[in-house]
Amino acid sequence: DVKVTQSSRYLVKRTGEKVFLECVQDMDHENMFWYRQDPGLGLRLIYFSYDVKMKEKGDIPEGYSVSREKKERFSLILESASTNQTSMYLCASSWGSGDGYTFGSGTRLTVV
Amino acid sequence: GENVEQHPSTLSVQEGDSAVIKCTYSDSASNYFPWYKQELGKRPQLIIDIRSNVGEKKDQRIAVTLNKTAKHFSLHITETQPEDSAVYFCAASIIQGAQKLVFGQGTRLTINP
Repeated sequence: DVKVTQSSRYLVKRTGEKVFLECVQDMDHENMFWYRQDPGLGLRLIYFSYDVKMKEKGDIPEGYSVSREKKERFSLILESASTNQTSMYLCASSWGSGDGYTFGSGTRLTVV
Repeated sequence: GENVEQHPSTLSVQEGDSAVIKCTYSDSASNYFPWYKQELGKRPQLIIDIRSNVGEKKDQRIAVTLNKTAKHFSLHITETQPEDSAVYFCAASIIQGAQKLVFGQGTRLTINP
């Protein structure tokens, strides 16, 4: 079974802090994704990566950046956390085209 | 870009009845349509998917239908059970470097005993 592990289940951070969310997958997947999940809005894509050191903006990249230095690890960075970034963050990975995702368990981030 | 609309946002059915969730998509190039189930406090999990060269796919009590001409696809759950209660998301794929999924807004399905 593919495992996608997110380092934290719950996080509470202060406004203005730099926040790192980590995601690791163990099945050599090429593609990795970061989504945020908000009630009534579904899952919205923040950033994705299809190769090491490659990254592409998703639909809502503002206020976020990412890093993929190794194939198995994809980090989401909130440069200066704001209260409107309070949300559930989901990491996912997949093989090449034509496959569904495997999701991590999510990180519920609260910015106070 | 791709836009996926999902209806209804909430659905309540009696145990044993059928449930249908519908999605529409905008990009005719989309060719892969998965459905995910997310139970409370858990990660979304793939329950069924369909590709654009197929009109219908079934797996026990769940089925998905795809109408490429109309650009809509639906999830059908028959003989619903309490454990079917969850949030369901549809998605459509687009290629942008990698294949990425655009998700619908989700449907909260409640099965009443």
